[in-house]
Amino acid sequence: KAGVTQTPRYLIKTRGQQVTLSCSPISGHRSVSWYQQTPGQGLQFLFEYFSETQRNKGNFPGRFSGRQFSNSRSEMNVSTLELGDSALYLCASSEQGREQYFGPGTRLTVT
Amino acid sequence: QKEVEQNSGPLSVPEGAIASLNCTYSDRGSQSFFWYRQYSGKSPELIMSIYSNGDKEDGRFTAQLNKASQYVSLLIRDSQPSDSATYLCAGYSGGYQKVTFGTGTKLQVIP
Repeated sequence: KAGVTQTPRYLIKTRGQQVTLSCSPISGHRSVSWYQQTPGQGLQFLFEYFSETQRNKGNFPGRFSGRQFSNSRSEMNVSTLELGDSALYLCASSEQGREQYFGPGTRLTVT
Repeated sequence: QKEVEQNSGPLSVPEGAIASLNCTYSDRGSQSFFWYRQYSGKSPELIMSIYSNGDKEDGRFTAQLNKASQYVSLLIRDSQPSDSATYLCAGYSGGYQKVTFGTGTKLQVIP
């Protein structure tokens, strides 16, 4: 099976702009989770979608949002970008209750 | 209280030694546990999954789960410099239907 794919891999944006990141899960996986990771930090959980419904949400401001489509592909959106949003954004897919498999990540730089 | 706790390290071991990485968890409803390896700047890679009490071996890696003590460990035998990375422990809670990651332990294998 093909692995988790994320696009784009690298992105440079300016403060105040918005950005949309995309994630295609492993075929058959209905759960997609998003994480933010800054240098030297652990994984910060953003949200999880399962069968097009947001099932869990982390402690991030409302500028961070996401959605999942009927084919399980997911997008996350960050509006009004701040310098502190510069990070590696990771998407992971899984079957219910099973191990998560991570994509390569999208490295976002906000200038 | 963090749901999954790991010592951040760094844990330094000489090449050829056994590296022992530990993780404790607070949710007794956690059913399954996963170990990931993350190289700097890369996404986490699944190493081991463990679902029941006891030991599970895969090559140089052994995962150990003790649900009574709420303790998970990963042993790496014959450690190699290429094992130098951050190791993340994660647990899945069926009650909350979510995966929670620890902050990771940095392992350094000294040649």
